[in-house]
Amino acid sequence: NAGVTQTPKFQVLKTGQSMTLQCAQDMNHNSMYWYRQDPGMGLRLIYYSASEGTTDKGEVPNGYNVSRLNKREFSLRLESAAPSQTSVYFCASNIKRGHNEQFFGPGTRLTVL
Amino acid sequence: GQSLEQPSEVTAVEGAIVQINCTYQTSGFYGLSWYQQHDGGAPTFLSYNALDGLEETGRFSSFLSRSDSYGYLLLQELQMKDSASYFCAVGSGGYQKVTFGTGTKLQVIP
Repeated sequence: NAGVTQTPKFQVLKTGQSMTLQCAQDMNHNSMYWYRQDPGMGLRLIYYSASEGTTDKGEVPNGYNVSRLNKREFSLRLESAAPSQTSVYFCASNIKRGHNEQFFGPGTRLTVL
Repeated sequence: GQSLEQPSEVTAVEGAIVQINCTYQTSGFYGLSWYQQHDGGAPTFLSYNALDGLEETGRFSSFLSRSDSYGYLLLQELQMKDSASYFCAVGSGGYQKVTFGTGTKLQVIP
């Protein structure tokens, strides 16, 4: 039982490049989330998926797209990376509607030059 | 929208008790939860309060007052390994949308 896994762990991009961050969970959770965390800051919600087949914008969706490929997988795409997107990205999941216990992946540390 | 306030830093002595407060403004409140994050690590869930009162999990307790839009995390018998950042988070709306506070960095000193 791996929990929530994310790939890659580290990535360096040049401005304008694109990439996809992958996330998968093996806990049969319905909801999945993408957050970004900047130094000294809390987690800001980028997008979330309450269930397979649905996605919704969070607090900071601009510059990102997501795909809920199936119940297990939720990917985050940066179409044209910008230095302002340098951050640590966390994927999370939880099962119970209205209950805030989220399980987090180890994070992807992204630098955009 | 949602907003949460918590102190940015707290220092406490090993073996002591520390309380980290969190006040929030939100619509459609779903519950208050607490997460711990060590430097370089991922957040891990500590506790959740949907109803008023105290929830206890080992050395950690969490309290909620919905009428005051206020909660706190209480850490007892502090250990050096408790040095970390602690985030409160609220669920809101009709979906599982969660908003996090900016975190309280706890330093435990000998």
